[in-house]
Amino acid sequence: KNQVEQSPQSLIILEGKNCTLQCNYTVSPFSNLRWYKQDTGRGPVSLTIMTFSENTKSNGRYTATLDADTKQSSLHITASQLSDSASYICVVSARGNTGKLIFGQGTTLQVKP
Amino acid sequence: DAGVIQSPRHEVTEMGQEVTLRCKPISGHDYLFWYRQTMMRGLELLIYFNNNVPIDDSGMPEDRFSAKMPNASFSTLKIQPSEPRDSAVYFCASSFGGAGHMNTEAFFGQGTRLTVV
Repeated sequence: KNQVEQSPQSLIILEGKNCTLQCNYTVSPFSNLRWYKQDTGRGPVSLTIMTFSENTKSNGRYTATLDADTKQSSLHITASQLSDSASYICVVSARGNTGKLIFGQGTTLQVKP
Repeated sequence: DAGVIQSPRHEVTEMGQEVTLRCKPISGHDYLFWYRQTMMRGLELLIYFNNNVPIDDSGMPEDRFSAKMPNASFSTLKIQPSEPRDSAVYFCASSFGGAGHMNTEAFFGQGTRLTVV
């Protein structure tokens, strides 16, 4: 069964600190993996998209890694800001399936001053 | 482009009433998706269209749910009759190219928060 699992479920950090969010998936055959940020009351916004051949991709203070062998991905946030408080969702799609994105349950991050 | 536009932003209705959610995708996008988000289940795909044609509606929970896309710039999701367990945030998203394609990005609307009392 195609699944995406994220950890931790929630996280609280102090402003300025770094953090890493984890994503494990069992989707096969793998096409790409995305990390989305969802602010409260808004739709998800894409942070990164990674394909099988990519190990690392950065978007400002956000760096995503992908290990296709172990089917794991991480999202590292550097020097966190209050505006980073949001839900971060790992999303995987299977090759050949043009419509379905398989969503993780998300990690809720709260950055405190 | 203003992005994916959904209306209304909030809807409160009584059980048994018909509810219609609306979506205007980004111009030029050929895929349109309807999702439902709840605390318990996260984001779930309900149905998606390609070039206005429904491709996969296996996520539609019951016959009470129906979706249409009469043209490339408009789609509706209808629930009739509505029930309290339908309360959720409904998102519409669009993309150019399918989700499984490399580097295709899906853009989400702001969502419609539906409360059925």
